Formats: sequence, structure tokens, C-alpha cells
Amino acid sequence: GDSVTQMEGPVTLSEEAFLTINCTYTATGYPSLFWYVQYPGEGLQLLLKATKADDKGSNKGFEATYRKETTSFHLEKGSVQVSDSAVYFCALLFSGGSNYKLTFGKGTLLTVNP
Amino acid sequence: GAVVSQHPSRVICKSGTSVKIECRSLDFQATTMFWYRQFPKQSLMLMATSNEGSKATYEQGVEKDKFLINHASLTLSTLTVTSAHPEDSSFYICSARARQGSSPLHFGNGTRLTVT
Repeated sequence: GDSVTQMEGPVTLSEEAFLTINCTYTATGYPSLFWYVQYPGEGLQLLLKATKADDKGSNKGFEATYRKETTSFHLEKGSVQVSDSAVYFCALLFSGGSNYKLTFGKGTLLTVNP
Repeated sequence: GAVVSQHPSRVICKSGTSVKIECRSLDFQATTMFWYRQFPKQSLMLMATSNEGSKATYEQGVEKDKFLINHASLTLSTLTVTSAHPEDSSFYICSARARQGSSPLHFGNGTRLTVT
């Protein structure tokens, strides 16, 4: 079945450090790919997405590129802030007609220290 | 932007009682709503998909009689945990999808259920 594998956390960085959170997927076909962020005690917010190979999603300084050849969608940010501390989820989606199912990775906890 | 309101945010109940969690789409009509369960340090597991006016579709391993889902209108879905037990303690999150096209999912802020 479809699955998403994220790098295990927690990840602890100092402010302004470079961030990479790896994400790879297994799926038959070509899903859409997403990164969601969950701040403490809250639900999920869509951070960015890419719907086809070589697409780059970006938002709030975060970027991820849909790499079909390596089935990856790694999240990067050049300079993290304390406010980026959260749990990040990679997810894939196949949709069609009434079928709309997101499959999530296990999440990666990021802590950014001042 | 689209807002999904989930209520309550926290609830503590005694073993054997039932708890109802509401999920409302505040500024759009949600054709489909999804209920997830999140264990500590784990991913979100889809429990069921509900379409307005029809029965929910449950994922494998989810007890239909335990987790009752009602999607009576285009803006409201409810999840009732019946005869709750401590092992039902978890973080439950709903999400909603608007009617048109390839609209994204909008998530509620979740409900922390603790069964004592």
C-alpha cells in the first residue's frame, strides 16, 4: 500500500540554522505531495504542496521539490526561527471522484532554540 | 481562509460514558469530512470518511459501533465515542473538504480526549 517515511526526530537546531527534513514515499502512480505543520495543541495547517514531478512547493521560506526519480519530497528552509518549532508531517494524496485519502508520515518534531 | 471549528478542545470523561465531538466548517460547505486519531509521537490515522447525508466509510480496524459518525448537514459532522475506555484516550482531529473541484483539506484544532 501507499506509505510515507520521514526522518525520525526530534530535530533540534539553533536559530538561523539550515533545516532539512527528509521524506520519501511509496506509491503506485503519481500522487500529490504535501507538507503539513502542527503547532503545539493545534490541528494541522497546510505548509506547501506539489502535484506533479519536478514541481517545487514553497511557503514562509520553506521549500520542497517533488522528485519522482528518488520518490522524495524533502523539506528545506535556509534559516529557521524559534517560531518554526512544531511537528512537520509529510503526506501523499491520491484523489479521484469521491476518493480523497491523505496518507501521513509519522511526523518530525522540530525545536529551534534562540 | 476556510475555517474548521472543532469542539471541545479538551474533554475528560469517566470510563463507560459517551463523548461527542463536533466538527463545523464555518465559512464553506463541506461535502466530505474526515476523522483522524493521533497517538502520542505517532502519525495521524484516518478513522473514517463521512459524506453529507450518507453513512460514514470506516477504515479497516475501526469499530463502527464504538465510533459513531454523523454528517447531518454540509457544515457539521459529529464523532461520538461510545462507552469510552482509557485506551480510547487520544487526540482526535477532523478535517473538511469543500464541495468544488480539487479543494484542499482544512483541519480542526483537534480534541484531546482523556478517559479516566
